[in-house]
Formats: sequence, structure tokens, C-alpha cells
Amino acid sequence: GEEVAQTPKHLVRGEGQKAKLYCAPIKGHSYVFWYQQVLKNEFKFLISFQNENVFDETGMPKERFSAKCLPNSPCSLEIQATKLEDSAVYFCASSQWQGAGSPLHFGNGTRLTVT
Amino acid sequence: SQQGEEDPQALSIQEGENATMNCSYKTSINNLQWYRQNSGRGLVHLILIRSNEREKHSGRLRVTLDTSKKSSSLLITASRAADTASYFCATFQGGSEKLVFGKGTKLTVNP
Repeated sequence: GEEVAQTPKHLVRGEGQKAKLYCAPIKGHSYVFWYQQVLKNEFKFLISFQNENVFDETGMPKERFSAKCLPNSPCSLEIQATKLEDSAVYFCASSQWQGAGSPLHFGNGTRLTVT
Repeated sequence: SQQGEEDPQALSIQEGENATMNCSYKTSINNLQWYRQNSGRGLVHLILIRSNEREKHSGRLRVTLDTSKKSSSLLITASRAADTASYFCATFQGGSEKLVFGKGTKLTVNP
């Protein structure tokens, strides 16, 4: 498609439960990025993919967060044993090319609320 | 740490006025990008300026880049109520494949 599609729009989980978020990048885009935005402020980089390969995972809290981009499937971001501090809007973005020359196209985000 | 820092944090103007937002960064860059975020939505790419460019225009947007001062500015001329949004600058740090965003400027344009 021509837009980055994120599902669900809203997700509510009790503390300790698992949360799984999905992202379908724009067709033909090889790079996928996940960002976390807390309280409408700064965007924290989590992880990026080149096709199904992890490109940069320096922002991932690895003990509870994992992500995948498999062929012919939406990309996913999974949080095991959610904590209150995980409450945020999670944005997925895709780009056609690698790195500095390519603008990112963002989805509208998944709002995760951990209660 | 955030690469870009926008200034001011919030700006309120009347329709028809110009809005100027500034961004400072710390390390060397290949380019600097500006994005807009409307309430409840994702970021929308506005404009990209390369490190060897000093000024770039796109419609009512004018972006400047001063690499010696490690700063950029975004000017929106003849603002409209529809320009109400948060504006973020972003840079790729040298050698990194991740786009790092500043904290944003929240612009309110009053009709």
C-alpha cells in the first residue's frame, strides 16, 4: 500500500501482560523503523530492519522487547511482561533507501496503555 | 541523547504571521530533516536539507542550515490555522543508520 499501516490503534494491557504491535510498511520500502513516543515528546529510536534483517537495535530494551520483519507478513514489535513505563505511542516508519538520503514515512501509531 | 534540540518549545501566533523554529545539533551530519506531527498522527516529512546546502524552499517553508553553528531554522510564512502542529528536526548521526529526533516545537496558529 501507499501508507504505513499500524494495528491496533489502541492497546490496553495489565502490567505483566504481553503486548504485540503490527506494522505493514509501504510496498517496495526495504527499511522499517520502530520509535517510541512518550507524552507527545521526543521520539526514542528502538530498532530498524533492512528487509527481514535487523539493521540497528541499539535502542531496544532487549530483556523484554523483541521485533521481527518476516517475508510476506507485517512487521511486529512484542513486549513481554509490560510495565507501566511502557505506556507510550509506538510508531513504525518505512523508507525506500538506506540512511541519510531517505525520508521516513510514518504510520499513525499504536497507543499502548499499561494499567 | 537527542541529536536535535528545538527552540522554542512552544510558539503561539496569529494566522497570517510568520513562524520561526530553530534546531541545534551536536555532531556532524549528512543532512537535516524537518517533520510535522498533527495531534494523534504520525510524523510527516516536510523538507530535507543537505550539509552542503545553506537554504532550501518548499512552498511556504524555508529552511536554513548553518553547519558552522550546528543549527537550522524552519520558517513558515503566512501561517494558517492548519499549520497548528508539532515540528521536529531530525538528523542522521555520522555513521549511524538511525534518524534521531529533537523534542519538537509545538506551534499554535490562532484564527
